[in-house]
Amino acid sequence: GAGVSQSPRYKVAKRGQDVALRCDPISGHVSLFWYQQALGQGPEFLTYFQNEAQLDKSGLPSDRFFAERPEGSVSTLKIQRTQQEDSAVYLCASSSPGPSQTSGYQETQYFGPGTRLLVL
Amino acid sequence: AQSVTQPDIHITVSEGASLELRCNYSYGATPYLFWYVQSPGQGLQLLLKYFSGDTLVQGIKGFEAEFKRSQSSFNLRKPSVHWSDAAEYFCAVGYQAGTALIFGKGTTLSVSS
Repeated sequence: GAGVSQSPRYKVAKRGQDVALRCDPISGHVSLFWYQQALGQGPEFLTYFQNEAQLDKSGLPSDRFFAERPEGSVSTLKIQRTQQEDSAVYLCASSSPGPSQTSGYQETQYFGPGTRLLVL
Repeated sequence: AQSVTQPDIHITVSEGASLELRCNYSYGATPYLFWYVQSPGQGLQLLLKYFSGDTLVQGIKGFEAEFKRSQSSFNLRKPSVHWSDAAEYFCAVGYQAGTALIFGKGTTLSVSS
């Protein structure tokens, strides 16, 4: 079956420009995560959705970052007034609750190919 | 704070030789443990995971990892490395449903012929 897809794969933006990054999760996956991966680093959490509800946005670095998932499927990460420090790979991951979600079962996250953002 | 440490930034292994990549985590309870691999320009592919039970887990591509509670470690191993294994390897921990994974900084594996 289809995995997680992301678009665009590459984006070059001028400083101050707004960008929108799209994530299509695996069909039926309830949970959706966004991560930011700086060059030479591991991914770092940005935000988490369960269906359409954004349950955790503690990792968003500033109020220029905004994410939504209005129908509980596709998600968009928007960055306003991009800065050079926003240059990174943005990864989306989705997961489906395990058989005992209420007991805290950690479901496996499946990642998309990422969007590489370069801000000039 | 919860953290994941991958002590080796870069490792070079000869093709056919064995491999061990180290991972240590910091957390009071037993976390859920993952190893992912990332090839250049690609996303993260799950190699294996540990949730509970047998502490030696088998993954794809001939990889295995062993959870050692006493050492807070989850090292990745492969008995014979292939040139196609050259990539970036990330160890990650998770704690409960709906929480983000915490990743190490990664280990770059180079394979020499």
